[in-house]
Amino acid sequence: AQKVTQAQTEISVVEKEDVTLDCVYETRDTTYYLFWYKQPPSGELVFLIRRNSFDEQNEISGRYSWNFQKSTSSFNFTITASQVVDSAVYFCALSEVASGTYKYIFGTGTRLKVLA
Amino acid sequence: EPEVTQTPSHQVTQMGQEVILRCVPISNHLYFYWYRQILGQKVEFLVSFYNNEISEKSEIFDDQFSVERPDGSNFTLKIRSTKLEDSAMYFCASSAGGLSNEQFFGPGTRLTVL
Repeated sequence: AQKVTQAQTEISVVEKEDVTLDCVYETRDTTYYLFWYKQPPSGELVFLIRRNSFDEQNEISGRYSWNFQKSTSSFNFTITASQVVDSAVYFCALSEVASGTYKYIFGTGTRLKVLA
Repeated sequence: EPEVTQTPSHQVTQMGQEVILRCVPISNHLYFYWYRQILGQKVEFLVSFYNNEISEKSEIFDDQFSVERPDGSNFTLKIRSTKLEDSAMYFCASSAGGLSNEQFFGPGTRLTVL
């Protein structure tokens, strides 16, 4: 069965520190998609990245970077030089093609607090 | 840029009352979803809807819940007799389909059951 684990419930860092949020997933499907979403205090889900199971190339977008490793079923997210505005809950999610409905399975989220 | 909209943003109701949460998906999208997030918890899949019928529902989506696409633009979630534990943020999402089936989420409706 599909599952997403975010073992870090809450992380606190001081501004300008780098921080990595972990995501481990379980799936039997060979074709799937992984996502990261940011949920600020206002509550909406802000899309950050989508990665398919055939593309293990790491991605960098500004201060954000993602490390996808199929061998360890992990899709970790690093924020470089964190800022107070990065404070939010971050969710990792999995979507399996074989499910037919492509529903998203979310992890429990990691609350990031960036202190000034 | 097209976006998914949801109304109302916040709904307060008494236990036992019926509520209807409304969503307007992106116009050319074919797949529609509802998710629920109890305060402080993860986002959970409720139901998916395609071709005017439910394609999958979770165990949360019991007989108290129903979905409808009444007029080709709106997508609604109805809770017939609300319970305290239905208090949550409800997110609507839509997608165009295709292999990636990227879902676009609405801003959510916060439902408070008193």
